[in-house]
Amino acid sequence: QPALTQPASVSASLGQSITISCTGNSRDIEAYDYVSWYRQHPGEAPTLILFDVNKRPSGISDRFSGSKSGDTASLTISGLLVEDEAVYHCSSFSGGKTDVLFGAGTKLTVL
Amino acid sequence: QDELQESGPGLVKASETLSLTCSVSSASVRSHFWSWLRQTPGKGLEWIAYINDVDRTNYNPSLNGRASVSKDTSKNQIFLTLTSLTTTDTAVYYCARGSPVRWLYFDSWGPGMLVTVSS
Repeated sequence: QPALTQPASVSASLGQSITISCTGNSRDIEAYDYVSWYRQHPGEAPTLILFDVNKRPSGISDRFSGSKSGDTASLTISGLLVEDEAVYHCSSFSGGKTDVLFGAGTKLTVL
Repeated sequence: QDELQESGPGLVKASETLSLTCSVSSASVRSHFWSWLRQTPGKGLEWIAYINDVDRTNYNPSLNGRASVSKDTSKNQIFLTLTSLTTTDTAVYYCARGSPVRWLYFDSWGPGMLVTVSS
């Protein structure tokens, strides 16, 4: 069972915005600002799109933004494009037994 | 972006040992943290271990000591050994580079390699 909880799937229309949540607990997301998000297209490796909750690596569109409140982190994608249809994974540092935790991933469908 | 490529057997038997190699180009394994991760349909991504620039290693305790990571700087390769395999070790295995910002942000990945453990 993944340590971080994400919705299994979400959907939104082309051009709209969508927010994906990622819930942990007091030992991971709530305790540290070390949250990251990855996008994964079918058959490909994940790509880092956000780190330190809301920072974008070079080359990542500013349509991707992140936030955190308590034990829940969120990824918001604005101006949805067809290419945004993918699985999105959240990750967090943890002060528990395992240093790095992941969610099970959220499949985004762009209608 | 660095280029990473995993290689090894695609099929192994339960109770045996898996050995994977990650060949890195456009970067030196003498620098950065290098991790192995795996992905299964039900459990999502799972971090397995890292080795850093000074050969310090760190492992996910959920693997119960079955994993070992090492590197060969002359060949610019990273290695993963996983012992006492069971069918639950069936997964796509990735090697990845840790970001200079923080090792737990993986900013370059290999394409992944499917490993099936047969009973």
